[in-house]
Amino acid sequence: DADVTQTPRNRITKTGKRIMLECSQTKGHDRMYWYRQDPGLGLRLIYYSFDVKDINKGEISDGYSVSRQAQAKFSLSLESAIPNQTALYFCATSDPSGAQYFGPGTRLLVL
Amino acid sequence: AQTVTQSQPEMSVQEAETVTLSCTYDTSENNYYLFWYKQPPSRQMILVIRQEAYKQQNATENRFSVNFQKAAKSFSLKISDSQLGDTAMYFCAFTETGNQFYFGTGTSLTVIP
Repeated sequence: DADVTQTPRNRITKTGKRIMLECSQTKGHDRMYWYRQDPGLGLRLIYYSFDVKDINKGEISDGYSVSRQAQAKFSLSLESAIPNQTALYFCATSDPSGAQYFGPGTRLLVL
Repeated sequence: AQTVTQSQPEMSVQEAETVTLSCTYDTSENNYYLFWYKQPPSRQMILVIRQEAYKQQNATENRFSVNFQKAAKSFSLKISDSQLGDTAMYFCAFTETGNQFYFGTGTSLTVIP
């Protein structure tokens, strides 16, 4: 079984809709992250969390919110989706050395 | 601001040959961590190799090795005996504290049979 899982794997939604992307991990790591990947731009950090009470904004947090429901779960919400949020979204955890372990990604299309 | 630069958007290499992917970064800190990630067509991000800045010895993982030049802020990845399965996007990444991570824009590597 995968250590970091994401649901859904693919999602199509319409402008203005609220959607949630979910992430679960079995690695036992405290640190979790949400990134988006756009062609030619690499990965950009949206939010990160060090435990259920510690949530931090990343480079591009506007238009997004997160919830850390438990050590193993970290969800990303788009309150009102817009077309420029069309991207590939990754959840990741990190170990004490800083190495990150990624989920399989969620491909989101906002029409 | 911290930045990671990969100046080679695309590269190709013949199977069994050696290729080097370049990465430079910018930081004022003395201690930090550097990584190379591979993203094959399956889009999964896979950790290839990591390097702690305080270690002078270059990291090696089987056919993958790095050339870490701290003064030059350079962190290149060498792939020896290239295999078809090495075809992928490769991302260089950097973190100072393990809080925020910064990724380069990637190098698309094609291994030619």
